[in-house]
Amino acid sequence: GNSVTQMEGPVTLSEEAFLTINCTYTATGYPSLFWYVQYPGEGLQLLLKATKADDKGSNKGFEATYRKETTSFHLEKGSVQVSDSAVYFCALRAGGSNYKLTFGKGTLLTVNP
Amino acid sequence: SQTIHQWPATLVQPVGSPLSLECTVEGTSNPNLYWYRQAAGRGLQLLFYSVGIGQISSEVPQNLSASRPQDRQFILSSKKLLLSDSGFYLCAWSVGVSSTATEAFFGQGTRLTVV
Repeated sequence: GNSVTQMEGPVTLSEEAFLTINCTYTATGYPSLFWYVQYPGEGLQLLLKATKADDKGSNKGFEATYRKETTSFHLEKGSVQVSDSAVYFCALRAGGSNYKLTFGKGTLLTVNP
Repeated sequence: SQTIHQWPATLVQPVGSPLSLECTVEGTSNPNLYWYRQAAGRGLQLLFYSVGIGQISSEVPQNLSASRPQDRQFILSSKKLLLSDSGFYLCAWSVGVSSTATEAFFGQGTRLTVV
């Protein structure tokens, strides 16, 4: 079946540090890949997505590249801010009868000033 | 533009009491609808999804049920809550087309505490 594995947190960084959150997946066919962010007490917001191999999704300084050869979609940001503190979820949607999203377990990021 | 409303935001219920959480979507037709649960310190678990009125699929056996009485309304229910039902419940929708490229849009969630 489909699955997403992302690095377990928590991840604690200082402001302006470089961020990488690893995400790998297993899926049949050609899935689309997503990163969602959840701020404390809120629902999930789409951060970025990529729908085919070698696509790069980007938003708010975050980037992730769809690597089919390594089945990965790692999230990166060059310089994190305190306001980036949140839980980040990697997810995929693969072809099938319902096209539901499969999520990783989430990675808690804390950025200290 | 499309919006999703989910209520209540927080709920404290005694064990054995009933539950009804409601979710409505505006600005779109025939969406796919989803209920997820997020337990403390854990990821998201898909509970139910629906591709149309009256069409409900359950992902895991549990103490909960879902209904879709109208195109853009999705209700999560329980007849008797258990302590283990505590968690953060999220409703979501996606465009109802056969495409893997469409993302899901989430409500603000309901924090349920069963005491």
